[in-house]
Amino acid sequence: GQQLNQSPQSMFIQEGEDVSMNCTSSSIFNTWLWYKQDPGEGPVLLIALYKAGELTSNGRLTAQFGITRKDSFLNISASIPSDVGIYFCAGQLGGGATNKLIFGTGTLLAVQP
Amino acid sequence: AAGVIQSPRHLIKEKRETATLKCYPIPRHDTVYWYQQGPGQDPQFLISFYEKMQSDKGSIPDRFSAQQFSDYHSELNMSSLELGDSALYFCASSLGPAGGLGDTQYFGPGTRLTVL
Repeated sequence: GQQLNQSPQSMFIQEGEDVSMNCTSSSIFNTWLWYKQDPGEGPVLLIALYKAGELTSNGRLTAQFGITRKDSFLNISASIPSDVGIYFCAGQLGGGATNKLIFGTGTLLAVQP
Repeated sequence: AAGVIQSPRHLIKEKRETATLKCYPIPRHDTVYWYQQGPGQDPQFLISFYEKMQSDKGSIPDRFSAQQFSDYHSELNMSSLELGDSALYFCASSLGPAGGLGDTQYFGPGTRLTVL
């Protein structure tokens, strides 16, 4: 099925470092979302973006909805060990069309204390 | 705050058996989505319901069916199970059109289905 290109695939960083990951698509979306998933658990919503160009923060997390509506990035500042997990971006067309989520390929984050 | 509830959390079945997965959405949420996540993969959309009617359909095998009931809970029925059906199955719920901007989906903890 359709996927979003997410990079990097994995990151191994030291505690306290900043992290950046991004997602690109060949088609536009009206909503971008970022989820974090722990092994064997459901994705947990981190940030939702509804407007092109929007920049939103949630604690140490900051995400932006690209102006072309075809990309988004997520930044994590001052990483801590509990940030470990898989981060997924997801795009949603919505607006009367389909509301299903199209997920990115995921970024595995490992944080060394 | 109440979250999406899924049951069972783990299920082991033999090939060709049937399975029923249940999803209880967040209170006041009227829209339910089902996703399948294979090992090391991202979640793939299967089917969704809004106000008890099917609203969208993805890559769901014909062996699978689903419905949403009057209390908004949903069940995913899987028949003639195959080894390849082993996966995590997630349900997500949302406020649907009443949610205003976007249709933000909140995921349950998932059901891990193992087919032997």
